[in-house]
Amino acid sequence: DGGITQSPKYLFRKEGQNVTLSCEQNLNHDAMYWYRQDPGQGLRLIYYSQIVNDFQKGDIAEGYSVSREKKESFPLTVTSAQKNPTAFYLCASTPKGAGHYNEQFFGPGTRLTVL
Amino acid sequence: AQSVAQPEDQVNVAEGNPLTVKCTYSVSGNPYLFWYVQYPNRGLQFLLKYITGDNLVKGSYGFEAEFNKSQTSFHLKKPSALVSDSALYFCAVREAFMDTGRRALTFGSGTRLQVQP
Repeated sequence: DGGITQSPKYLFRKEGQNVTLSCEQNLNHDAMYWYRQDPGQGLRLIYYSQIVNDFQKGDIAEGYSVSREKKESFPLTVTSAQKNPTAFYLCASTPKGAGHYNEQFFGPGTRLTVL
Repeated sequence: AQSVAQPEDQVNVAEGNPLTVKCTYSVSGNPYLFWYVQYPNRGLQFLLKYITGDNLVKGSYGFEAEFNKSQTSFHLKKPSALVSDSALYFCAVREAFMDTGRRALTFGSGTRLQVQP
């Protein structure tokens, strides 16, 4: 899982609550991403950030929010507006540079369950 | 738009036999292609990538993949499967020289590889 940490590993939330998932990397990567994984659907992009203080919506951003105040940190908040938040959440990062083809490095994931 | 198809939800193979996990892709221009492996409740681990050059790409743990532009495929292969190869495998694509701001990959739905002893 490289130099990317995600916490907590498991998270339980009651309906109507906001929760924040942590993602930290010590790889000095510029770009960071959040994906959601559901069984049989692969990974879907929620938000991404190429530089500090800038981020963009991915394909399924509704009900989620992010911030990028530091290069090494990209927390994801799952709000009460997210209709079906139970899923496995993966954070990833990519180095900047000439390699637009750089592979992404993934954290170990957070499994969120709504009770 | 870019997309990836992994037509098999599961592939079963006996230990010691060759394995193939299929992937086809669709992009407007040239593709960058990736294979990742995921073990239960873990993040994705990078296996290999095709950017340009030789169509046969070698990666980690004895895996290789063959890029076929005419068939828009990037199948993952291994000459001799191990029980420890049992995991979930994802193919991913992004278009070369697309909007540099995004750089996110589009993933297939995954193929579960089961290697029997």
